[in-house]
Amino acid sequence: QKEVEQNSGPLSVPEGAIASLNCTYSDRGSQSFFWYRQYSGKSPELIMSIYSNGDKEDGRFTAQLNKASQYVSLLIRDSQPSDSATYLCAVNTRNAGGTSYGKLTFGQGTILTVHP
Amino acid sequence: SAVISQKPSRDICQRGTSLTIQCQVDSQVTMMFWYRQQPGQSLTLIATANQGSEATYESGFVIDKFPISRPNLTFSTLTVSNMSPEDSSIYLCSVDRTEAFFGQGTRLTVV
Repeated sequence: QKEVEQNSGPLSVPEGAIASLNCTYSDRGSQSFFWYRQYSGKSPELIMSIYSNGDKEDGRFTAQLNKASQYVSLLIRDSQPSDSATYLCAVNTRNAGGTSYGKLTFGQGTILTVHP
Repeated sequence: SAVISQKPSRDICQRGTSLTIQCQVDSQVTMMFWYRQQPGQSLTLIATANQGSEATYESGFVIDKFPISRPNLTFSTLTVSNMSPEDSSIYLCSVDRTEAFFGQGTRLTVV
């Protein structure tokens, strides 16, 4: 079983729609959750981080975390063609002192295409 | 955030040779991380580099193949040794400031 698993893609949505990206993880000790966007040929760019259960909104992006279900998602509202990229879910575990272990485990990525 | 500079940005190397990738951060960080992204794949952590101690390698990665140096709190190098075409990947340096930020990566092609 993969440690971090993302919904299979590719995902194609029309411009203006909501894109929903999902991720599950196996390590219940995981405490920090991240979404990265990666354009072809570029390095990953952090777009959202979430640490506690519930929703976190930043502009058109909303991250949702449910630790009981070991599930994290990313919603992109009003999707634009410029959102077309690979989205990577990443998980790490911090120790009690809050210092990051620094070890990120990535999902396999979901390719999103937003068509006009 | 952090400004992370990696070089070279890309290289084409002959099999059997070695390449050293440099990573420079704009401020001091305790830990630096090296990842590999094989073609069409996600990122996999190679090792964690702490200043003043040996790097910690993940399962499947060994020091002889991927020696790492960490001479100070702003700099690290990763060497890919005795390269084969299977080493063709993007190698990424990362630092952790509550959130992990990546350098622009080094695209390595081994022929």
